[in-house]
Amino acid sequence: SQELEQSPQSLIVQEGKNLTINCTSSKTLYGLYWYKQKYGEGLIFLMMLQKGGEEKSHEKITAKLDEKKQQSSLHITASQPSHAGIYLCGADRLDSGGSNYKLTFGKGTLLTVNP
Amino acid sequence: GAVVSQHPSWVICKSGTSVKIECRSLDFQATTMFWYRQFPKQSLMLMATSNEGSKATYEQGVEKDKFLINHASLTLSTLTVTSAHPEDSSFYICSAYGLAGTRETQYFGPGTRLLVL
Repeated sequence: SQELEQSPQSLIVQEGKNLTINCTSSKTLYGLYWYKQKYGEGLIFLMMLQKGGEEKSHEKITAKLDEKKQQSSLHITASQPSHAGIYLCGADRLDSGGSNYKLTFGKGTLLTVNP
Repeated sequence: GAVVSQHPSWVICKSGTSVKIECRSLDFQATTMFWYRQFPKQSLMLMATSNEGSKATYEQGVEKDKFLINHASLTLSTLTVTSAHPEDSSFYICSAYGLAGTRETQYFGPGTRLLVL
């Protein structure tokens, strides 16, 4: 089963609209990362969240990590065509042995912003 | 679906030795491979981008003579950490981009954890 569930898988919005992307884990997250990617390009690091309840903002993008540290949401305010791309959440989780952190990714959310 | 594999998943080596990590795209031809490194509690850091058949483009601060990248085929890229030292211990992950049929595809490998003693 997918360790990190992202929703929605794809999203089409009109320019200027707000939107939210969610990343849910069934286990406690020790570090949650949000990245943006375009096909054929490398990842762009957006934000890292570590503490339950933490919220960070960068320009018009805000990310939160819920108190129980099992879900994060990425919110874009007044979306623009430049926001289009694939948004990926990544998380540090302890491996089955409980001694090493393992990086896993969600499947990504494809965002299209129509002008 | 398309899958990207990495080998080995775990490697422990002595300081001064070289380690090769393989990244393979299993269901599609990867025209571009990205290599990343992640230190504990930090985000992924892009090390280099390689297009099949050409030299890799390294990010600023990444030593190309230390991290040798080869992308000789459309399904295989290798990262060789030469003369590894303890500070090279990290999690290395590749991402492969290409076409699966006519559809753009980009996937991450499962990563390789390197520990240099």
